[in-house]
Amino acid sequence: NAGVTQTPKFRVLKTGQSMTLLCAQDMNHEYMYWYRQDPGMGLRLIHYSVGEGTTAKGEVPDGYNVSRLKKQNFLLGLESAAPSQTSVYFCASSYGETQYFGPGTRLLVL
Amino acid sequence: AQSVAQPEDQVNVAEGNPLTVKCTYSVSGNPYLFWYVQYPNRGLQFLLKYITGDNLVKGSYGFEAEFNKSQTSFHLKKPSALVSDSALYFCAVRESGNTPLVFGKGTRLSVIA
Repeated sequence: NAGVTQTPKFRVLKTGQSMTLLCAQDMNHEYMYWYRQDPGMGLRLIHYSVGEGTTAKGEVPDGYNVSRLKKQNFLLGLESAAPSQTSVYFCASSYGETQYFGPGTRLLVL
Repeated sequence: AQSVAQPEDQVNVAEGNPLTVKCTYSVSGNPYLFWYVQYPNRGLQFLLKYITGDNLVKGSYGFEAEFNKSQTSFHLKKPSALVSDSALYFCAVRESGNTPLVFGKGTRLSVIA
């Protein structure tokens, strides 16, 4: 049981490039979330999903897209990366009240 | 809208002393309250939660938290701090079982030997 895993662990992008972050969970959780963590800002919700095929916007959705084609995977896409998207990205999943987090992806946009 | 405030960016405590990390919240209904801990270069780990029932909640690693409805607070406590408790602590709230968590900005705890 791996829990929540994230791929890649670290990535450097140039402004304007695109990329996809992958989150996978093997706990059969319905709900999945993407957060970004910035110094002094805590964690802010980007997008979330309440089930396969559904997504919803969070607090800071601009510049990001998501897809939940399979229950166990939640993808976060950056179509045209900007330096303001330099951050650490965390994925989480939940079934009941508690959210369980992945180890994070550190993204640097130059 | 729900919100969480952690008034202290940094808390320093000597090893062996009691520690408190403060959290206050704002929700329109009954709160679901959580504490998470983050060690360097790691993800967030669940410590404890309050959903209903006893106002004193016990969690992992000897931590506990007290729910105070009148003061809208959920402070994290430990009777005797360890150097290994040094980490970033986040308080979080949600209004119902499966709405996304809203996090505070975090409090960095430093336990000095």
